Amino acid sequence: QKEVEQDPGPLSVPEGAIVSLNCTYSNSAFQYFMWYRQYSRKGPELLMYTYSSGNKEDGRFTAQVDKSSKYISLFIRDSQPSDSATYLCAMRTYSGGGADGLTFGKGTHLIIQP
Amino acid sequence: NAGVTQTPKFRVLKTGQSMTLLCAQDMNHEYMYWYRQDPGMGLRLIHYSVGEGTTAKGEVPDGYNVSRLKKQNFLLGLESAAPSQTSVYFCASRPGLAGYEQFFGPGTRLTVL
Repeated sequence: QKEVEQDPGPLSVPEGAIVSLNCTYSNSAFQYFMWYRQYSRKGPELLMYTYSSGNKEDGRFTAQVDKSSKYISLFIRDSQPSDSATYLCAMRTYSGGGADGLTFGKGTHLIIQP
Repeated sequence: NAGVTQTPKFRVLKTGQSMTLLCAQDMNHEYMYWYRQDPGMGLRLIHYSVGEGTTAKGEVPDGYNVSRLKKQNFLLGLESAAPSQTSVYFCASRPGLAGYEQFFGPGTRLTVL
């Protein structure tokens, strides 16, 4: 079982819809959770960064973490064609002297239809 | 601020050739990383550095070497390129104690024939 599972899609929704993107993970030590957006042939761009469980909102984006279920979500409200991209979840444990770096999901390809 | 920059953007190599990828950041970040991204595999960590003069292995280090002689630069070297190293390479950096979020460069597309 991979540490982080993410449905690759593609996920196609009409403009204006609410989008829900999700990741599940197996390592209960993960405490820091991030969402990145990656446009075609570009580098990943940080969207949201949360610590432990709870919700965080930034404009049209809401990140949600449920550590009891090992499940994280990214919601996009009033979706726009410019939101069409691949969305990567990433997470890590607290740095306690072990290996550094993020563990990524494989990404979900999102298409917003005008 | 330019953020994280990578040189070159594209490169084609023949099997057995060597090359160096350069990553530079102007944010005074302590930590720097090299990832490769392959279809169906996601982003995988090759090597990383927690400060000037230090390097460490990541998940897929074989066939690569790195150096961090200056805080702002992180070099990734391929001594004898193989077709399995055809990939998109991303460099990233983060501040250090201030947080774990990483900031990525635009990537280098490498093809090994």
